[in-house]
Order: sequence, then C-alpha cells, then structure tokens
Amino acid sequence: LAKTTQPISMDSYEGQEVNITCSHNNIATNDYITWYQQFPSQGPRFIIQGYKTKVTNEVASLFIPADRKSSTLSLPRVSLSDTAVYYCLVGGLNTGFQKLVFGTGTRLLVSP
Amino acid sequence: NAGVTQTPKFRVLKTGQSMTLLCAQDMNHEYMYWYRQDPGMGLRLIHYSVGEGTTAKGEVPDGYNVSRLKKQNFLLGLESAAPSQTSVYFCASSYTGQGLDGSYNEQFFGPGTRLTVL
Repeated sequence: LAKTTQPISMDSYEGQEVNITCSHNNIATNDYITWYQQFPSQGPRFIIQGYKTKVTNEVASLFIPADRKSSTLSLPRVSLSDTAVYYCLVGGLNTGFQKLVFGTGTRLLVSP
Repeated sequence: NAGVTQTPKFRVLKTGQSMTLLCAQDMNHEYMYWYRQDPGMGLRLIHYSVGEGTTAKGEVPDGYNVSRLKKQNFLLGLESAAPSQTSVYFCASSYTGQGLDGSYNEQFFGPGTRLTVL
C-alpha cells in the first residue's frame, strides 16, 4: 500500500509559483502518481498524472525524481481561484484501485 | 455530455431507513467508484466496479451495498441508515489505459450527494 505524505496547508499570493511536494516512499514499480484538485462542495478534479521525469499540461507541471519516492506539483502564477485542496495519489491497475487513498490533502490558500 | 451525474443532491434520513443513491455516466467508462467524504477529511473508497455486473469492496464497505446492472449506472444502497453514515457521497468513473510502464487512471467525479442521518 503506497501511502502518501503531503503538507496539511500552504499559503501563497497571487502571481506566485506554488510547489506542493508529496512523499511516497513505498511506491510500486507500476504505480502512477496522480494529483487532484477539490473546491468546496465539489467533487475532485483531475489535474495531472505522471510516471517519471516531468509532465506538463496547460494548468500544472509534475516533477518526479529518478527514485520516484516523491513528486512535486507545480502551479505557475497562482490566482485566487486556485484556492482549493490538492490531493496526491499513488497507484494504478496493477496495485489495485481499492488501494488508491486520497488522504487529507494540502489546503492551498491564495491571497491577494 | 453530462459526464457523471448523481441523484439525489441532498437527502435526510432517519436512523434505520433505507435509500439508494444513483450514479450515471455517459462516457462509456468501464470503472466506477463510490466514495464518502467526511468534514475535513479526504475521500474514502466504499465500493468500486471494474465492469458491468461486477463489484468489489473498497476501504470502508460496511453498511453499504452496490449494484452495476448496466454499464452506465452504479447504485449505492444503505439498507439501514445510521448517523455514522452522515457524509457527502461522491461517485466517479474512469477509463483505464495501458501506459508503457504500467497503467494509468483518470477519475471523473460527480457533484456529490449530501446525506444526513438523524
């Protein structure tokens, strides 16, 4: 079971880059790393997923070192609307979806 | 496409009553999931399904039953509701692709059902 550890909360200001790191020391060979965003009273929304090195899409980047024991979600130039809870998940088909654990996530607060 | 829809949005039950939550998806996804989220907590997986006619237990299955008679629908039942089941329930669905180094999975979530058991 790949447990993840991430900071409980983070504060930032508009226009800054935010990096949220997730630790997953016992990640399995076939596990992927996935990040979700959740706004109050809404279901989580997929942000980005990766296996190794770096993945970038229109909203975020995901950095994964060679040992894959941690990962960093990078949000460029955050705005007030990025205030949300961010979850890091590790797992996949081979390790069983029943083992995907959302945890308590990281509560990001973006201020003006 | 409507994506993932959940019915009802809100419900209040008395202890011992039963109810069924309906989840529907129009993305032809094979996988579907039911989660619960308690205040200030992350999501916990109740049951999931990897295809029509198949279901399996997740992290917190006790007190719940599920059925997947049609690919697009996933039902969550509470036979005898208890106050401890007061929560927000989220349904999700996903495809699963095969990547070069394993598998990947993106879950699409519904808007949630807020259930209160008195």
